[in-house]
Amino acid sequence: EFVLTQSPGTLSLSPGERATLSCRASQTVSSNYLAWYQHKPGQAPRVLIYGASTRATGIPDRFSGSGSGTDFTLSISRLEPEDFALYFCQQYGSSLTFGGGTKVEIK
Amino acid sequence: EERLVESGGGLVQPGGSLRLSCAASGFSISRHWMTWVRQAPGKGLEWVANIKEDGTDKYYVDSVRGRFTISKNNGRGSLYLQMSGLRGDDTAIYYCAREAAREAYQPYYYMDVWGKGTTVTVSS
Repeated sequence: EFVLTQSPGTLSLSPGERATLSCRASQTVSSNYLAWYQHKPGQAPRVLIYGASTRATGIPDRFSGSGSGTDFTLSISRLEPEDFALYFCQQYGSSLTFGGGTKVEIK
Repeated sequence: EERLVESGGGLVQPGGSLRLSCAASGFSISRHWMTWVRQAPGKGLEWVANIKEDGTDKYYVDSVRGRFTISKNNGRGSLYLQMSGLRGDDTAIYYCAREAAREAYQPYYYMDVWGKGTTVTVSS
């Protein structure tokens, strides 16, 4: 079974700070087929990053993805008020699996 | 604007059936694989099923195979999920999503358009 473990579960930060979110896979993610999404309550999830590091259309450059193999990171360089949300990773190289999510909350 | 709107959720008794619909606007679903994803209360997201552009190939998570059927009507721009033999652990918000276009056959991909979800509650 392919498992994605996201850490931390909750990240408490202030606007303007840098956020670093981790997604660790139980096995190698084929072709670095890993995506990151942002989800706010009552809204549709939004793709931020695909292929581990490619920003989706319209996503600000303060969002960046990195990593390969089993360890991946989503970084938000300077948190804006609208960035406080739930973030989850997804691998699509072997079936399709989501991580449990990281909540970025205002400190 | 590319948009997906789910409908059909509700309260159903264990063992019952329900049909979810997803209406697409702003794009043609005939050009995309489409997916259902769900989120149970207090849990993470779980991919449920997806269907190829022309509807010929379908994939399911093990827990719903044989109970759920995904289908689409490209002419109507609609995606469906027929659910039967519903159980308590099927209780969730169900999201419809569009998979991004890809050049080669690949049964699993990332989603670039999502709906806001419809809630299914299985309880007596």
